[in-house]
Amino acid sequence: GENVEQHPSTLSVQEGDSAVIKCTYSDSASNYFPWYKQELGKRPQLIIDIRSNVGEKKDQRIAVTLNKTAKHFSLHITETQPEDSAVYFCAASSSGGGADGLTFGKGTHLIIQP
Amino acid sequence: DSGVTQTPKHLITATGQRVTLRCSPRSGDLSVYWYQQSLDQGLQFLIQYYNGEERAKGNILERFSAQQFPDLHSELNLSSLELGDSALYFCASSAARSTDTQYFGPGTRLTVL
Repeated sequence: GENVEQHPSTLSVQEGDSAVIKCTYSDSASNYFPWYKQELGKRPQLIIDIRSNVGEKKDQRIAVTLNKTAKHFSLHITETQPEDSAVYFCAASSSGGGADGLTFGKGTHLIIQP
Repeated sequence: DSGVTQTPKHLITATGQRVTLRCSPRSGDLSVYWYQQSLDQGLQFLIQYYNGEERAKGNILERFSAQQFPDLHSELNLSSLELGDSALYFCASSAARSTDTQYFGPGTRLTVL
C-alpha cells in the first residue's frame, strides 16, 4: 500500500517569512495530493490539492509543487501570518481500480512566531 | 462548515462496550469515508462506502464495522472496545471517488475508560 512521509514534524518561522513542508510517497499510481490544515480539536480542512497532470498550483499565499519522477510534493506558504499556525497534513490517493481513501503523512506543526 | 455532520460530538464508554457513530454526507455526495485519528497512529483511513456499498477497506479492525444506508448516511460500529480505541473518529464525504475532494465532518471524540 501507499506510504507517505512528511517533514519536518515541527516548523517554527517568523511572521512574514515563508514556510515549506515536504512529503514523499511510495506508490507511483498515486495521482491526487491534497493538503489539509487542522487546528487543535477541529476537523481537517482542505487548503489546496494537486493532481498528477499538473506540476504546480497556487492559491494566493499557498502553493503546492509536485515532482512525479521523484515522488515528492511540497507545500509553500508565503508571508506567513499568526492564523497560519496549525498542523498541516499531506496526503496521497489513487483513482486506479478500487478507491482506497487517503493516506496521510504524520503532520507538521507549524508555529508562526510574532 | 463543510456540510458533513457527525453525531455525537463526544462519547465516553467503558471497555468491552459497543458504540455507534453516525455521519451524514454533504448533499449530493455519494462516497463516505471513515478515518481514525490518534496521537500514536495519526490519521488513518478505515473504510469507504459508495452509494450504499463497501468500496475499500483500510486499517479497520475486525471489531469495527460500518454501513451506508439508502439515504446515504453512514454508521460506524465499534465493539468490544479497548482503551486503545480512544481517538477522534472523522467521517468525510466526496462526490464519488477517493480522488474527488474529501470534506471532513467535525469528528466524534471517543473515550474508552
